[in-house]
Parts: sequence; structure tokens; C-alpha cells
Amino acid sequence: TQLLEQSPQFLSIQEGENLTVYCNSSSVFSSLQWYRQEPGEGPVLLVTVVTGGEVKKLKRLTFQFGDARKDSSLHITAAQPGDTGLYLCAGPMTTDSWGKLQFGAGTQVVVTP
Amino acid sequence: SAVISQKPSRDICQRGTSLTIQCQVDSQVTMMFWYRQQPGQSLTLIATANQGSEATYESGFVIDKFPISRPNLTFSTLTVSNMSPEDSSIYLCSVENTYTEAFFGQGTRLTVV
Repeated sequence: TQLLEQSPQFLSIQEGENLTVYCNSSSVFSSLQWYRQEPGEGPVLLVTVVTGGEVKKLKRLTFQFGDARKDSSLHITAAQPGDTGLYLCAGPMTTDSWGKLQFGAGTQVVVTP
Repeated sequence: SAVISQKPSRDICQRGTSLTIQCQVDSQVTMMFWYRQQPGQSLTLIATANQGSEATYESGFVIDKFPISRPNLTFSTLTVSNMSPEDSSIYLCSVENTYTEAFFGQGTRLTVV
């Protein structure tokens, strides 16, 4: 089993601050996905990173895939209360299915006004 | 993106009973996936459901406890059988598309008393 370790487990910051969430593995992944989950909802896909060294931006969110495709990070600039949620990284368990995912433990982010 | 509807959204059940969760997708998909999210934890894959064949279960999950049906390309059910309080979780179905993306339903929050 390819283990995905997320850190930190919990982040509480003030509006306007920056934050970074990390997702690390000892194994190589063909891709990694980042999701945000809010209470009472299923995870919502934010981004998929596929190429080693890739950087993707989604408004104030920046996602990076490590050169060796073993790690990824999510950076939020000038966080807002709407960024509050559980952030999950996930990678495919097999090479024949994108949807068969292994998830990290998640990072609970709380942004206070 | 796929639109996934799950029913029921939540339920409170007596121990020893069974609950069937339905998952409806707005487009035809080859594979559907069922996940469990225990309180305060991340998602764990239960099984993969292909139309026309038996579901494939992950380690720690068995068909007698979590029977799955997949009668067509847009629908699947997961039954949680002979429930105990330890089965209290959020159960989520998901599908994959052809662009390395997975989409989730809103989940079914099950409480066993």
C-alpha cells in the first residue's frame, strides 16, 4: 500500500494569512489529486497534478507536484473564511483506474475573520 | 463533471438492521466506487463496482457485510448489513471520468444506535 502522509493535521489561522499543506509519500504516484470537503458534503476536486515539478494555480491556491512525484503541496495566499474545510490529498491505488483512490489523513483548515 | 446523487443523505438505524444506500449518476460510467469515512477520519475505499460483474472489495471489507449491486451504468447500491455502532460513518460513492478526475456524491451519514 502506498502511504500518503499529510501535515499538519490541523491549521487555524487569521484571515489574510498564508498557509501550506503538505502531502508526502515514499512511493511514486502517477498523479495526485487535492480535494476540499466541507461538513455534510462529499469531497470536491480542486486539482490534479500529473507531471513532476508541475505547478498549478487556482485563484489564491497554488499546487505543486514534486520532481520525483512523491510529494505535493497546497499553498493558500491571503486565506479567507471561505477556505475553511478539510483538505485531502489522494493518489490512485492502481495504474488502471483514476477513481480507485488512496487518501491522506486530511488537514483541517480553519480561517477566522 | 458528473453529478452524483446519494440517498438517503442521513439515517439513524438500530443495531442489527441493514441499510441500503443508493447512488445515481447523471451519465453512464464504467466504474463506481464506494468509500467509508469514519468520524474525524479520511476516506477508505470499500469496493469497486463494475456493471455486469461482482464488486471487487478492498482488504478488510467483505461482501457479506457490504453487498453491492450495479444493475446498470448509472446506478449502484451499497448495503450495510447487520449494523453495529462501529458502522457509524459517512458512506460516499464516486465515479471517475476520462480526464484523471474522480467525483463524489454528498455522502450518506449513518448513525447506528
